[in-house]
Amino acid sequence: QKEVEQNSGPLSVPEGAIASLNCTYSDRGSQSFFWYRQYSGKSPELIMFIYSNGDKEDGRFTAQLNKASQYVSLLIRDSQPSDSATYLCVRLRADSWGKLQFGAGTQVVVTP
Amino acid sequence: KAGVTQTPRYLIKTRGQQVTLSCSPISGHRSVSWYQQTPGQGLQFLFEYFSETQRNKGNFPGRFSGRQFSNSRSEMNVSTLELGDSALYLCASRPQGSSYEQYFGPGTRLTVT
Repeated sequence: QKEVEQNSGPLSVPEGAIASLNCTYSDRGSQSFFWYRQYSGKSPELIMFIYSNGDKEDGRFTAQLNKASQYVSLLIRDSQPSDSATYLCVRLRADSWGKLQFGAGTQVVVTP
Repeated sequence: KAGVTQTPRYLIKTRGQQVTLSCSPISGHRSVSWYQQTPGQGLQFLFEYFSETQRNKGNFPGRFSGRQFSNSRSEMNVSTLELGDSALYLCASRPQGSSYEQYFGPGTRLTVT
C-alpha cells in the first residue's frame, strides 16, 4: 500500500461546478499536507498547505484535513478550464526533514 | 523574487555516461531537495541538503549523488546512466523557520539512449 493514496481519475467536472479531490494516508504520526497542481509538461506548483484538523480556505480552494479518518481533501469551487491539471496530494512527516511523499495524482478535466 | 532555476532544461545522454544537473534555490532558501518524476513511479524523493549537508536520502542506488555549495546552489550527479534513469529531475527549495512548503524549479528532462 502506498503511503499516500489518490484516485488517479480523470475527474471530469463541468465548468462552474465544484471539483472534490480526496487523498488517504497510512499512519497517524505528526505530519503536514500539501496540494500541488501540475500542468502537463510543467513542474508542480504549490496551491495550499494544511497542518491542523479542519478546513482551510484560500480563494476558490478549500483544503480539509481529518486526522481521525486519515484523509485530506481539496475542493475547487467555480471550476474553470484553466483548473484542468493533475493535482498531487503530498505529505511531509515531522521526522523526515524535507522528504515529501507524493500521491500518484488525480487528473482533473474541466469541461466548458 | 526569482524562482528556483535548474540547468540544463533538457539533456540527452547515452547509457554508461554520467550527468550533472544544477539547481539554484530561491534567494534566502537554504534547503534544497531533489526528486525524480517518471510516468510509472510518479514523484520520488532523492535527497535533501541543508547548509551543505545531506539530511535525508531516498531509496535510490549509490549512482545518484548530490552536493550543496556554500551559496546554497546544489548539484546532483548520476553515474553509469541506465535507460531507466530517463526522467524529469526536479529541484525544490524551501524557506527556513516554521514553513515547510517547498517550491519547485522547472526541472531537467533527462533522456538516456
